Amino acid sequence: DAGVIQSPRHEVTEMGQEVTLRCKPISGHDYLFWYRQTMMRGLELLIYFNNNVPIDDSGMPEDRFSAKMPNASFSTLKIQPSEPRDSAVYFCASGSGRRETQYFGPGTRLLVL
Amino acid sequence: TQLLEQSPQFLSIQEGENLTVYCNSSSVFSSLQWYRQEPGEGPVLLVTVVTGGEVKKLKRLTFQFGDARKDSSLHITAAQPGDTGLYLCAGAPGKTSYDKVIFGPGTSLSVIP
Repeated sequence: DAGVIQSPRHEVTEMGQEVTLRCKPISGHDYLFWYRQTMMRGLELLIYFNNNVPIDDSGMPEDRFSAKMPNASFSTLKIQPSEPRDSAVYFCASGSGRRETQYFGPGTRLLVL
Repeated sequence: TQLLEQSPQFLSIQEGENLTVYCNSSSVFSSLQWYRQEPGEGPVLLVTVVTGGEVKKLKRLTFQFGDARKDSSLHITAAQPGDTGLYLCAGAPGKTSYDKVIFGPGTSLSVIP
């Protein structure tokens, strides 16, 4: 298996622009997680899905952030409009409800100027 | 708000030395996980502990969950340069390892050849 796939790996954008991050989970996994990692705040859970349904989005910082999972093999995290304080590494992870092990993708490094 | 603290924040040791890193909280967790993250990559799960007082070994790594399920330690014997990385603990207060998981800030370990 190729593991969790994220794209793009790097994104540089200007403040106010829309940013869309993409994730393809490991086939067969029924959980998908979005995290944000910064030096100041560490690794934070933003939202997670079970069987494509959002279960807990209490970690989403504000309305500028939205996440969707239209099917079992694809998810997006969108920031609109982006701000410099959104600069971070965003990780997607997937897991199986049976084994409760998360597999992280390589991350998307986002820089908002 | 539940918080996880990790100590030390940074650790630099010579190859062959032993070390212990700690993960502490004032809250009780139903399970606790340890991850290792290498630069430019996502965290990789090392172990999950669920029972108070539980000890798990993974080659030269020994993990212990506190009796009260509020703290954990990771001991590495005869550290190798390949052990270098950021060690993260993650606690889940809910029913599963996925439910409202929170991560500690991490211990950055450098093993010098």
